[in-house]
This record gives sequence, structure tokens and C-alpha cells, in this order.
Amino acid sequence: QLQLQESGPGLVKPSETLSLTCFVSSGSINNEGFFWGWVRQPPGKGLEWIASIHSVGGTYYNPSLMGRVTISIDTSKNQFSLKLWSVTAADTAVYYCARSKVVNIYFDYWGPGSLVTVSS
Amino acid sequence: EIVMTQSPATLSVSPGARATLSCRASQRVSSNLAWYQQKAGQAPRLLIYGASTRATGVPARFSGSGSGTEFTLTISSLQSEDVAVYYCQQYNDWPPLTFGGGTKVEIK
Repeated sequence: QLQLQESGPGLVKPSETLSLTCFVSSGSINNEGFFWGWVRQPPGKGLEWIASIHSVGGTYYNPSLMGRVTISIDTSKNQFSLKLWSVTAADTAVYYCARSKVVNIYFDYWGPGSLVTVSS
Repeated sequence: EIVMTQSPATLSVSPGARATLSCRASQRVSSNLAWYQQKAGQAPRLLIYGASTRATGVPARFSGSGSGTEFTLTISSLQSEDVAVYYCQQYNDWPPLTFGGGTKVEIK
């Protein structure tokens, strides 16, 4: 059973950079049939897709965050990462990593989520 | 960007009764629509994809229908373990992938 696990600081200061990594186990991230992505959820609110990446490097971003976000993948470590620059309190959320298929981009496996709070 | 609108925001249903949740897309998304269930404190769980195909392990009481801009998730006989927030997501035209605002299902 594929497993995803987010890792990163739970607290980030305003204007700094949020960095998260998703470790994938019981399955290879180097599979051309899948995208690997990030979705976030502010406390008490709905889901927002942030970005997705393919193992051969194609990247896709939510235009609302374009210019502040980068997604990357390390197939040798079976992990992928998210960086979000110049964070504000509005970036406080639970961040989920998730897998989707390339052909139909719905998320079939999710990590448990990582709460990131932006506060000084 | 395709905007997904879910209704109602909250649905109170008696145990064993039918629950009907709606999702509307601002543009046609064909059948490229997924439904997720999110219980309190948990990650979302895929329920339905392709508008009507149940994901692995999803009980038969969950069914999805619709195409184009109007979609429905039906829980035929509500169980206590179905209390959750349900989200729809379109994947017909992206980026961005977009989710609805969610419907909270509670026991009456």
C-alpha cells in the first residue's frame, strides 16, 4: 500500500520560506503514470491545489501562487518537495502531499497532512 | 479557472435516510469530476472518480452521477461513520485543479 508522509517545520515566520518534503514509501515515485502534488487547507476552510510534478520533471502550478512557489522531485530519494516564498498569515494551513494519475488528475493517495503556521 | 459550487453547505440527515449532495461547475467538465470524503482531523479520501466510478473499497451506498456542469453524490442510507465534509474536484481543465467549497453531512 503506497504511503506518503509530509515533513517540515510547523512554524514559519512571516516573509520567510515554507519548505516541505513528502516521502513516498511502498512504491516508486519514478513512475511515468503519475503526478505528485501538494494541496493545502487553511483551518476550517476548503481545499486548494498548489502544484503538481511528474517524475520526468514537468511542473504545474496554481496561477494564484505562481511566482511564489516551486515544486521539485528527487527520484533517488523517492521524495518530492514544496517551497513557498514570502509567506504571510494567509499561508497558514494543513499541507497535504498526494498522488494523482497523469491521464485523470484526481488524488488517490494522500499523506496525513502537516500543519504549518505562519507567525512571528 | 473553473469554479466549483457545492450545495447545501450543511446537510442534516436521519440515520438510514438518503443524502443528496450537489456540485455545479462554472463550465462543462465532461465526466472529469471526483468526490472526496474528509472526516474530522483526517486527510481527504477519494470516493468517486469519472463522476460515477467508486474508488477501491468504497461502500456501494455511495454513488455519483451527472456530467457537464451538474453532479450529484448520493449516500443511499446514511450511517454514523459517513459524518464528514464532502468535496468535489474537477480535472477537466487545468491548471488549476479546483475543488468545491464542501458540504458538511451531519446526523439529524
